[in-house]
Amino acid sequence: GAGVSQSPRYKVAKRGQDVALRCDPISGHVSLFWYQQALGQGPEFLTYFQNEAQLDKSGLPSDRFFAERPEGSVSTLKIQRTQQEDSAVYLCASSLGGQLLSGANVLTFGAGSRLTVL
Amino acid sequence: GENVEQHPSTLSVQEGDSAVIKCTYSDSASNYFPWYKQELGKRPQLIIDIRSNVGEKKDQRIAVTLNKTAKHFSLHITETQPEDSAVYFCAASLSRTGGFKTIFGAGTRLFVKA
Repeated sequence: GAGVSQSPRYKVAKRGQDVALRCDPISGHVSLFWYQQALGQGPEFLTYFQNEAQLDKSGLPSDRFFAERPEGSVSTLKIQRTQQEDSAVYLCASSLGGQLLSGANVLTFGAGSRLTVL
Repeated sequence: GENVEQHPSTLSVQEGDSAVIKCTYSDSASNYFPWYKQELGKRPQLIIDIRSNVGEKKDQRIAVTLNKTAKHFSLHITETQPEDSAVYFCAASLSRTGGFKTIFGAGTRLFVKA
């Protein structure tokens, strides 16, 4: 598509529920990133993929967080047994990826999924 | 891992004045430094970037400088306008095998008073 699409835009969950957030990157973008942005803060790195390979998941805050990109395109971020501290905007970004070519590592962000855990 | 510090957290200037935002990074291997602007309720948008083989880059009213030795970089906005009001994020990107990783600063909220 023309841009990075995320769904749902807004999600309200009761504490303890599982949620799944979807990201559809720009067509042809090899790299895909998930960030967590709390109110008034900068995006915090969660994980990233190169095609279907998850190369770094060091930012995932706990084992309740899981991300996948099985076919190297659409990615899903799953949060199990949600807690109030999980409330944030979850941003997905994609880039051409690969080596440090001009524009290869420029991130294009989606609009985000705002998660509120009650 | 990489850590990016950004100052100030809030900046208020009069329309027409200049604004400067400063960032430091910890990993000397970082080699790409983008700046993003985020308006209220919107997604971050790239406004300018600089690579480690360049010391300065300018695009109309916006300029970035990079000091690799000191591991700091700055954003300069001249002749500020009310529409420049937003949150600005600096970031440092480190290329690694098969990809790269971008770490963001905490942001600077810029207010431009008309």
